[in-house]
Amino acid sequence: VMTQTPATLSVSPGEGATLSCRTSDTVGSNLAWYQQKPGQAPRLLIYGASTRATGIPARFSGSGSGTEFTLTISSLQSEDFAVYYCLQYKNWPPMLTFGGGTKVEIK
Amino acid sequence: EEQLLESGGGLVQPGGSLRLSCAASGFTFHTYAMSWVRQVPGKGLEWVSGISGSGGSTYYADSVKGRFTISRDNSKNTLYLEVKSLRAEDTAVYYCAKHQLAHPYNWFDPWGQGTLVTVSS
Repeated sequence: VMTQTPATLSVSPGEGATLSCRTSDTVGSNLAWYQQKPGQAPRLLIYGASTRATGIPARFSGSGSGTEFTLTISSLQSEDFAVYYCLQYKNWPPMLTFGGGTKVEIK
Repeated sequence: EEQLLESGGGLVQPGGSLRLSCAASGFTFHTYAMSWVRQVPGKGLEWVSGISGSGGSTYYADSVKGRFTISRDNSKNTLYLEVKSLRAEDTAVYYCAKHQLAHPYNWFDPWGQGTLVTVSS
């Protein structure tokens, strides 16, 4: 089971945001973060818990291992308001598992 | 540039069937595992099925096991998902996504834009 908190985060532009993802079983560093905007496919931000994907701005950072993970956005830009999902890919087979998502909205 | 383009979605009656396709370009298709992920409109993401690069190994979520069949044609750079015995709760946007290795024990990137399957009478 993957639990993301909070479900919704209200943030003013320029402020920072911290999103949490907790897994029921340890997954090591086998965790990724995705950003999804309305009407678009998810976009990879972070893999291996802390490695930024190609082209992802440095304001996005990931940390954690085992069962507790964090995505930090240091200074929110207008384009960062979206839904963020974590994905674990260790407990395989039989399946990969997404968290329920955190919506980051404009305060 | 790596690209994925899904097709085959549409309106189908409960109990009906569809075949979804995902055309891949910009990478050596047979080298990479692929998966299907779905999203009920307004809801979260759910991994549905995955397949190894060779096609020799397939995996399914419990919610679709026995009803969905994943396959690939490496000569055509195309991924498929046969969906049968469809239920209202299968209504979703279906995305195909590329893994980073030949086996699916890793993250997805990129994703296609998705194809909408609507199950309704």
